[in-house]
Amino acid sequence: DAGVTQSPTHLIKTRGQQVTLRCSPKSGHDTVSWYQQALGQGPQFIFQYYEEEERQRGNFPDRFSGHQFPNYSSELNVNALLLGDSALYLCASSGHTQYFGPGTRLTVL
Amino acid sequence: SQKIEQNSEALNIQEGKTATLTCNYTNYSPAYLQWYRQDPGRGPVFLLLIRENEKEKRKERLKVTFDTTLKQSLFHITASQPADSATYLCALGHYNNNDMRFGAGTRLTVKP
Repeated sequence: DAGVTQSPTHLIKTRGQQVTLRCSPKSGHDTVSWYQQALGQGPQFIFQYYEEEERQRGNFPDRFSGHQFPNYSSELNVNALLLGDSALYLCASSGHTQYFGPGTRLTVL
Repeated sequence: SQKIEQNSEALNIQEGKTATLTCNYTNYSPAYLQWYRQDPGRGPVFLLLIRENEKEKRKERLKVTFDTTLKQSLFHITASQPADSATYLCALGHYNNNDMRFGAGTRLTVKP
């Protein structure tokens, strides 16, 4: 049984570009949450998707958007990248006990 | 504003001793508190959940306490081993709110 998977593992982009990160939840899980973790900090909640709808959103600008597909997998899109968007982006599936993926390390130059 | 503080950035202890990590919070009334372990370059791994009406929870060598009056949780690892070396994160949540709030973590190093 595969756990939460994320792709790509690492990504390097330049300021102003757009990026798409992908997540497949743990088998049987229908809820996906996205977090941003800056170096030396704890994860910060971006948003959560359930039944293909954004159920809740954290304090992140509209440059951050997402999508959930009928198979429960999800994408995180970030437009107009800033240097400050460099972080580890984590996807977690299920509810209050969350199973995290390995993350995507995004570097914005 | 809400604040979650974990006692220190780093904690070094000798193998076999008990590690005690602290999570303090202000301006928040969580329904539950969770502890996660995170290894470098990996996602957090869930360890324990304790609810607001529970004082203590144990799992093998792990023990968590939750004092809603002091707004504090203590996380203990007894008989610590070098393999316990990692960053430990506390996270606060509500049942009707999916926005879990994480502390910055404490990096624990257990020396042989």
